[in-house]
Amino acid sequence: QSALTQPASVSGSPGQSITISCTGTSSDVGGYNYVSWYQQHPGKAPKLMIYDVSKRPSGVSNRFSGSKSGNTASLTISGLQAEDEADYYCSSYTSSSTYWVFGGGTKLTVL
Amino acid sequence: QVQLVQSGAEVKKPGASVKVSCKASGYTFTSYGISWVRQAPGQGLEWMGWISAYNGNTNYAQKLQGRVTMTTDTSTSTAYMELRSLRSDDTAVYYCARVLTMGAFDIWGQGTMVTVSS
Repeated sequence: QSALTQPASVSGSPGQSITISCTGTSSDVGGYNYVSWYQQHPGKAPKLMIYDVSKRPSGVSNRFSGSKSGNTASLTISGLQAEDEADYYCSSYTSSSTYWVFGGGTKLTVL
Repeated sequence: QVQLVQSGAEVKKPGASVKVSCKASGYTFTSYGISWVRQAPGQGLEWMGWISAYNGNTNYAQKLQGRVTMTTDTSTSTAYMELRSLRSDDTAVYYCARVLTMGAFDIWGQGTMVTVSS
């Protein structure tokens, strides 16, 4: 069982927007602005898409945005494209003895 | 360019040990920490631990305490992860990742498949 809770799957049509949630506790998501999101295509290494809740690394499309409210963080992808189809994982720094925790992952299907 | 290049796939018997390397290039190795993350077949990401490339400080996931050791060699800009007493459920792809800030792993290695089978 993962420390952070994500929906197993979400889907959307090209051009639409989708949001993936990531729920934790006050010891991780709610306690720190250190939430990050990763995109992983099959057989590939994860790629950082969002860090520090809402910052985008250089080169990541501005169609990807992040936010947080209380113990829940969210990743929004606008203007869905076929290449966005992938698994998405959230991660948070945590005050527990384990520095970082991941969500269980969400499979995004572009219809 | 900034990259992490990992060692090749390994096949080990239960009870054995494995040591995976992660060679950094394109940046000052000692300015960033390295985390190790693994992914069992068809499963999600699992954080294993972190090492400071600056001073060698480490922090390991509780479930791996006593079986995992992370080290660095600053002369070759290489990080290592050794896992001992391997079990079948240690079969996974093992990734090293550069720690950008407290909240992100910004550069990832290509992954190393470790298969534990008798």
